[in-house]
Amino acid sequence: DQQVKQNSPSLSVQEGRISILNCDYTNSMFDYFLWYKKYPAEGPTFLISISSIKDKNEDGRFTVFLNKSAKHLSLHIVPSQPGDSAVYFCAASTYNTDKLIFGTGTRLQVFP
Amino acid sequence: DSGVTQTPKHLITATGQRVTLRCSPRSGDLSVYWYQQSLDQGLQFLIQYYNGEERAKGNILERFSAQQFPDLHSELNLSSLELGDSALYFCASSVGRASGYTFGSGTRLTVV
Repeated sequence: DQQVKQNSPSLSVQEGRISILNCDYTNSMFDYFLWYKKYPAEGPTFLISISSIKDKNEDGRFTVFLNKSAKHLSLHIVPSQPGDSAVYFCAASTYNTDKLIFGTGTRLQVFP
Repeated sequence: DSGVTQTPKHLITATGQRVTLRCSPRSGDLSVYWYQQSLDQGLQFLIQYYNGEERAKGNILERFSAQQFPDLHSELNLSSLELGDSALYFCASSVGRASGYTFGSGTRLTVV
């Protein structure tokens, strides 16, 4: 049972344009959501998070949007840079645990 | 350097054998999490320890076990290894979910 889903295995975007990565979840008990970035041969690194009491959180070029009614979140990267090329994982947790449930990841490629 | 240290980085062993993966959490972090990433899969939660006590358990096989020692380092023991156990094993630590996890660079286990 995949509670967190990233249905796009890959995404290719031109440098300077917007990258939009999507994530869907099924568990209505999730109340905290995070995005991680992973380069090859490295562990995932924390990027940005959002609590379910918000619908948007912004940090520099990165913005996460949460649509609770649709059980959907998205990560916007503007403008995209070649260094953003990596695998992006979304993750979620419930209020009574800090265990994170991860999606399967989306590989983003930003080309010049 | 994330501050979370995993050893060894690579491990090749035969089916039926037993291995131990080691993780030293970031200074001050009491929680340690173990995740498994198989080929093209997301990060599957295995187990969490908090200050020496098991806090949460995921889809961890009975052949796998873990512990966290008084100095807060953790070990993941994998026994009766099968070919399907070949994967990347990540350790992460945190002080709480709002701060996200800090991951180590992983141990790549290959069972032949």
